[in-house]
Amino acid sequence: DSGVTQTPKHLITATGQRVTLRCSPRSGDLSVYWYQQSLDQGLQFLIQYYNGEERAKGNILERFSAQQFPDLHSELNLSSLELGDSALYFCASSPLAIETQYFGPGTRLLVL
Amino acid sequence: GNSVTQMEGPVTLSEEAFLTINCTYTATGYPSLFWYVQYPGEGLQLLLKATKADDKGSNKGFEATYRKETTSFHLEKGSVQVSDSAVYFCPYTGRRALTFGSGTRLQVQP
Repeated sequence: DSGVTQTPKHLITATGQRVTLRCSPRSGDLSVYWYQQSLDQGLQFLIQYYNGEERAKGNILERFSAQQFPDLHSELNLSSLELGDSALYFCASSPLAIETQYFGPGTRLLVL
Repeated sequence: GNSVTQMEGPVTLSEEAFLTINCTYTATGYPSLFWYVQYPGEGLQLLLKATKADDKGSNKGFEATYRKETTSFHLEKGSVQVSDSAVYFCPYTGRRALTFGSGTRLQVQP
């Protein structure tokens, strides 16, 4: 158990819908990262927050957004969902900005 | 650009065989290097890491040495078990976050 929690574990929704994925980092970790894992793209970095502020952006679509709240939990919002958004979404956390990351169990999203 | 190259899988071994999974990276500077393991249906678990040249990371019988001259971080284990069957990733700390390769699937047969 890494100490990073993600909810929900599974999510099934329809195209065009909007969903929110939630992540609670390890106690004391200030940095949260979001990754997408799909069969065709592999593991891709989406976005990073550090102590409430956006720090780095990766291959995140404009339809996706995220935020980190004062209690340091983070949410990833996915809107106007398409079939190709079906993937595993992982959250990771680390104490500071760039160092060892600890991953949550992931949220499996299926868009029908 | 920056990238990680891992050996193609699946790697299929018999129990108690010696394991090597090759990993090389292309990056500026001297990034920290990691091995993560993903068991079926689970998230990624940190297996080991190295933060500077010639560092050796080790955990659960797995080892990897940070070779600056060959920009490699190959994973080794002397005797694999069926329970080691998983996908192994060797990302490094890029400028923004971890940069992952495609992963190597290991299948260990009894």
